[in-house]
Amino acid sequence: AQTVTQSQPEMSVQEAETVTLSCTYDTSESDYYLFWYKQPPSRQMILVIRQEAYKQQNATENRFSVNFQKAAKSFSLKISDSQLGDAAMYFCAYRTYNTDKLIFGTGTRLQVFP
Amino acid sequence: DGGITQSPKYLFRKEGQNVTLSCEQNLNHDAMYWYRQDPGQGLRLIYYSQIVNDFQKGDIAEGYSVSREKKESFPLTVTSAQKNPTAFYLCATQPGGSGYNEQFFGPGTRLTVL
Repeated sequence: AQTVTQSQPEMSVQEAETVTLSCTYDTSESDYYLFWYKQPPSRQMILVIRQEAYKQQNATENRFSVNFQKAAKSFSLKISDSQLGDAAMYFCAYRTYNTDKLIFGTGTRLQVFP
Repeated sequence: DGGITQSPKYLFRKEGQNVTLSCEQNLNHDAMYWYRQDPGQGLRLIYYSQIVNDFQKGDIAEGYSVSREKKESFPLTVTSAQKNPTAFYLCATQPGGSGYNEQFFGPGTRLTVL
């Protein structure tokens, strides 16, 4: 069965610093998509960044970037120059090419301190 | 104003009563999804629908039912058979079904069964 593991229930970072959130997944598929979603206190889920498995280049969206290691089945999220508004739950998610099912990890709660 | 509407934001019901959660979208997206979120468990898929008048069970469909009579609407009924219905429920949409497309989420409904 495909699973997504986020081993850090909570993380904290100081404003303007960099933090990395970990995500590993288990799959026998070779083609799939990976996503990071943010859920702030409002509980509105927002897509942060996404990656296609066949692309070797790591995705980047402004201050957010990923370190995608396909062989290790690892998909970590790096947040640079952290801001107070980055405080939220972050969920890693996985989907294969031929399915509509998103499989979510259990989330990492990120706190940002001034 | 395009988006996904879930109503109500908070819902209280007595044990043994069926309750229907509303999800409406004007994004013209084909696929719609229902997720359940519990503390420490991430999001779990209840039901999804790729086209009108068709839907599939997700991972935790027992005790729930859905309908998709219109493209814009995908209501979820939590029946009395659901053993632990208190949770946060999220509706999501996706354009064109499977693929690289992200899922867009509504603001959610918090259901509390007394």
